[in-house]
Amino acid sequence: DGGITQSPKYLFRKEGQNVTLSCEQNLNHDAMYWYRQDPGQGLRLIYYSQIVNDFQKGDIAEGYSVSREKKESFPLTVTSAQKNPTAFYLCASSNQETQYFGPGTRLLVL
Amino acid sequence: GQNIDQPTEMTATEGAIVQINCTYQTSGFNGLFWYQQHAGEAPTFLSYNVLDGLEEKGRFSSFLSRSKGYSYLLLKELQMKDSASYLCAAHFLTGGFKTIFGAGTRLFVKA
Repeated sequence: DGGITQSPKYLFRKEGQNVTLSCEQNLNHDAMYWYRQDPGQGLRLIYYSQIVNDFQKGDIAEGYSVSREKKESFPLTVTSAQKNPTAFYLCASSNQETQYFGPGTRLLVL
Repeated sequence: GQNIDQPTEMTATEGAIVQINCTYQTSGFNGLFWYQQHAGEAPTFLSYNVLDGLEEKGRFSSFLSRSKGYSYLLLKELQMKDSASYLCAAHFLTGGFKTIFGAGTRLFVKA
């Protein structure tokens, strides 16, 4: 099946810990995105990548890092510098005409 | 900035028609997405408009006016399962090929 997968579905982070959220797509899309959604809010762009080995900061990149070593993969690391990481994280990929989302990862701080 | 504006909440009756409006800034604009998002789930793609005019897909239709920076999503024959948030998102070419989302419109369908 073609699509976008994210793992894990739920992730718990301890204070001061870095965690990495996985995002994989087999749609052959060049562009990939990471968004954060807080309860009752819209989506805010963290990072995006138009092509392998290249990525740009979105509106709320502080405390996050990404890599794009392969076309299919765009992992997001939530670093200890992100002081309020509890949120729903959504990965997406797109071509010229559409943008599809993965199922999301809920990150909770212990 | 690239502000995307849409109403916060709307309420409609089962079987009725509802129109959800969205406005955006036109500089660097490429196209307009509409998504449906049920609580606790990821957004589901509904439509992508690039050209002016109305595009119909079953009970859902989406309209775009590029010169006015305006779009709407039209939902016909409302069903209870249509209760969800509807996200408007503008696709821009400037500053990279990126999509900016509005805060979403929460639609409540009542019997």
